[in-house]
Amino acid sequence: KQEVTQIPAALSVPEGENLVLNCSFTDSAIYNLQWFRQDPGKGLTSLLLIQSSQREQTSGRLNASLDKSSGRSTLYIAASQPGDSATYLCAVRSGATNKLIFGTGTLLAVQP
Amino acid sequence: GAGVSQSPSNKVTEKGKDVELRCDPISGHTALYWYRQSLGQGLEFLIYFQGNSAPDKSGLPSDRFSAERTGGSVSTLTIQRTQQEDSAVYLCASSLGWTGNSEAFFGQGTRLTVV
Repeated sequence: KQEVTQIPAALSVPEGENLVLNCSFTDSAIYNLQWFRQDPGKGLTSLLLIQSSQREQTSGRLNASLDKSSGRSTLYIAASQPGDSATYLCAVRSGATNKLIFGTGTLLAVQP
Repeated sequence: GAGVSQSPSNKVTEKGKDVELRCDPISGHTALYWYRQSLGQGLEFLIYFQGNSAPDKSGLPSDRFSAERTGGSVSTLTIQRTQQEDSAVYLCASSLGWTGNSEAFFGQGTRLTVV
């Protein structure tokens, strides 16, 4: 059974810092991995999608990497801003069931 | 439409009543998911539709929950005889398919409160 874990559960950093969020999964049979952000009371906004054959994807200040063999992904946020404060979720699309399986998220607070 | 649309955005219902939640996926998206997010919790998978295939209902918590997708587009999640533990945000997502480059997009959710 695929399980997705995110570490840390919460993170507080001062504005301007670079930071890394971690996501690990137990079954490497995935189609892709997707990072989302969720603002309080809102739905999920897609940030980056990494296909299983890819190693990384970049969008602006965000860079996501994928090491499928070790079951790990990282989301790197450069020069963090208070507007980056949100919950960040990773999800894998299972190769066995096509389900999107989510981690429990990292709550990020960027202090001005 | 431009994105996934869910209605209503908020629903307050009395315990024991039935409710229907609606999801309009992005046009052309063949995959549609329903998730539930309870306060302070992660996303709980409910059901998955892919094209004309039989839906994956393995996440539905009880037989009070059902969902259908008409014409491969709009989906309705129905909860019968609602209970207080059904209170949560119900999120819908759609994607172009199920392959590696199929990005999932979420609606804003329906916040259900059972009183």
